[in-house]
Amino acid sequence: GQNIDQPTEMTATEGAIVQINCTYQTSGFNGLFWYQQHAGEAPTFLSYNVLDGLEEKGRFSSFLSRSKGYSYLLLKELQMKDSASYLCAPHNDYKLSFGAGTTVTVRA
Amino acid sequence: EAGVTQSPTHLIKTRGQQATLRCSPISGHTSVYWYQQALGLGLQFLLWYDEGEERNRGNFPPRFSGRQFPNYSSELNVNALELEDSALYLCASRRQETQYFGPGTRLLVL
Repeated sequence: GQNIDQPTEMTATEGAIVQINCTYQTSGFNGLFWYQQHAGEAPTFLSYNVLDGLEEKGRFSSFLSRSKGYSYLLLKELQMKDSASYLCAPHNDYKLSFGAGTTVTVRA
Repeated sequence: EAGVTQSPTHLIKTRGQQATLRCSPISGHTSVYWYQQALGLGLQFLLWYDEGEERNRGNFPPRFSGRQFPNYSSELNVNALELEDSALYLCASRRQETQYFGPGTRLLVL
């Protein structure tokens, strides 16, 4: 079975940094995706980690530890438009399993 | 490059009716996935089609079914609608490992 755990909500101030943790237990694992979903909209691709370590892409970075079943998404220099839900999705055999998502609220 | 498209954007049905949702993948993508996202819940995998064949299905009853056409577009059919089927239904097409999502169809069952 699949078990994906991430915090339900996080709040941070504009310009700050927020780290969203995700732990997972899945039957089979190829890599891990992070998606951003604004309210009422489709998820959009943020990052994909296959190997252990940190992948940096502009203000967003994603980390993976396969041995620990752990990932995090780091959002730097937060902007109001970053207020959204962030979905952790382990990947196996071309199938994604999604966590319930972490709603990030950015305050001025 | 046009993204994944879905129709209709909204659909209102009553209990017991049937709903048909449509999805067109990004040009060149042969795999299509369907997900259900009920209010406040995570995305639940429904179905995966590739090259016209059903490759896998999630833990949903048989009244959820679909197909993929030769042009790789796809239909999701939900028979004998129940109130709890009210949700956002998302379609995604895949290139290599990455899935790209359409805007979704919001289904309301009254």
